[in-house]
Amino acid sequence: GAGVSQSPSNKVTEKGKDVELRCDPISGHTALYWYRQSLGQGLEFLIYFQGNSAPDKSGLPSDRFSAERTGGSVSTLTIQRTQQEDSAVYLCASSLAESSYEQYFGPGTRLTVT
Amino acid sequence: GQSLEQPSEVTAVEGAIVQINCTYQTSGFYGLSWYQQHDGGAPTFLSYNALDGLEETGRFSSFLSRSDSYGYLLLQELQMKDSASYFCAVKTGGFKTIFGAGTRLFVKA
Repeated sequence: GAGVSQSPSNKVTEKGKDVELRCDPISGHTALYWYRQSLGQGLEFLIYFQGNSAPDKSGLPSDRFSAERTGGSVSTLTIQRTQQEDSAVYLCASSLAESSYEQYFGPGTRLTVT
Repeated sequence: GQSLEQPSEVTAVEGAIVQINCTYQTSGFYGLSWYQQHDGGAPTFLSYNALDGLEETGRFSSFLSRSDSYGYLLLQELQMKDSASYFCAVKTGGFKTIFGAGTRLFVKA
């Protein structure tokens, strides 16, 4: 079966531009997570969706970051007015339910802000 | 605040046993997970402990002591392909998952 997919795989943008990153979770998975990973660093939690519940946005670093999940499936992470410090790999993961301990990660989107 | 501490680097030789420790301080605790990430790849799940004790999965084992807020990942019969970064992660209250900074394992011939 298909795993978690993310697009684009690479994105280069100019400082100040907006970007949208997309995540397609595994079919049937109700929980979806976004993380950010800077080079050689750990995973920084950004936001978490569970079914139709209100998302946990506590990890979003600023109001330039937002995310939505349509129809309980596909999710889009939007970064407005990008800054150079936003350069990182953005990883999406899904799990069967919020109580599930195993998260399945997508390949990530490498964002470079010039 | 919430934090997970693990060593930044560990080096071991092929065939040896290595232990990667993780201590955590979080608000709420539902379990400790371990993930492996090769360079340029996505993290992949290795193991999970919700209760105290040892969980064994092939060459990998994971241990948890909730009273000590401590766990470890044990890798036996090390192979070159085990060279990767290993992350501990805690599922906290609200089911949010917090990851450690990762331990880079170098396996030498």
